[in-house]
Amino acid sequence: ETGVTQSPTHLIKTRGQQVTLRCSSQSGHNTVSWYQQALGQGPQFIFQYYREEENGRGNFPPRFSGLQFPNYSSELNVNALELDDSALYLCASSTGSGLGLSGYTFGSGTRLTVV
Amino acid sequence: GENVEQHPSTLSVQEGDSAVIKCTYSDSASNYFPWYKQELGKRPQLIIDIRSNVGEKKDQRIAVTLNKTAKHFSLHITETQPEDSAVYFCAASKRFGNEKLTFGTGTRLTIIP
Repeated sequence: ETGVTQSPTHLIKTRGQQVTLRCSSQSGHNTVSWYQQALGQGPQFIFQYYREEENGRGNFPPRFSGLQFPNYSSELNVNALELDDSALYLCASSTGSGLGLSGYTFGSGTRLTVV
Repeated sequence: GENVEQHPSTLSVQEGDSAVIKCTYSDSASNYFPWYKQELGKRPQLIIDIRSNVGEKKDQRIAVTLNKTAKHFSLHITETQPEDSAVYFCAASKRFGNEKLTFGTGTRLTIIP
């Protein structure tokens, strides 16, 4: 078990609805990044949170937003869902500072289907 | 921004033969190049990585080479086994740690028994 957990594992939503996805980072990791992986594609960077602040954002509209909590867990919120938002959403944790510098550890993802 | 291209998109090799997957990147500031293996319905798993101060790295049957001048890096799998069948992604980042990764489009590797 990698230590990065995501919930829920699967989700079906209707176009126009809002969704919240959750991620618990691996112990000792202070950075959480979110990626969207459409079917047959590589993961695309959405944004990253470091010590509760957004620390970089990819080419995604403002209806994609996030939060990081003091325990370094994170949420991804998507408003006004569109059919193209159907994808696997991956959370990855890492440490970007100090001697514990580490690469990414990915969670198993949340499969979101928008109908 | 960074752009990573990956080839081929699909690759079939006989069990026991070698497989090579190639990636090119555009941003000369990129310094960290991981490779991920993703089995169907599962998370991407890091299989090997290389940093820009190293030209080659090997871990048992897997090796990665990096040519910073040409901005390309490759994954080599020798003595392939059926369990090597998966989708492989290359990625590039400016820094190991919490810098974002830019992924390639993936290579579906099939090992033929």
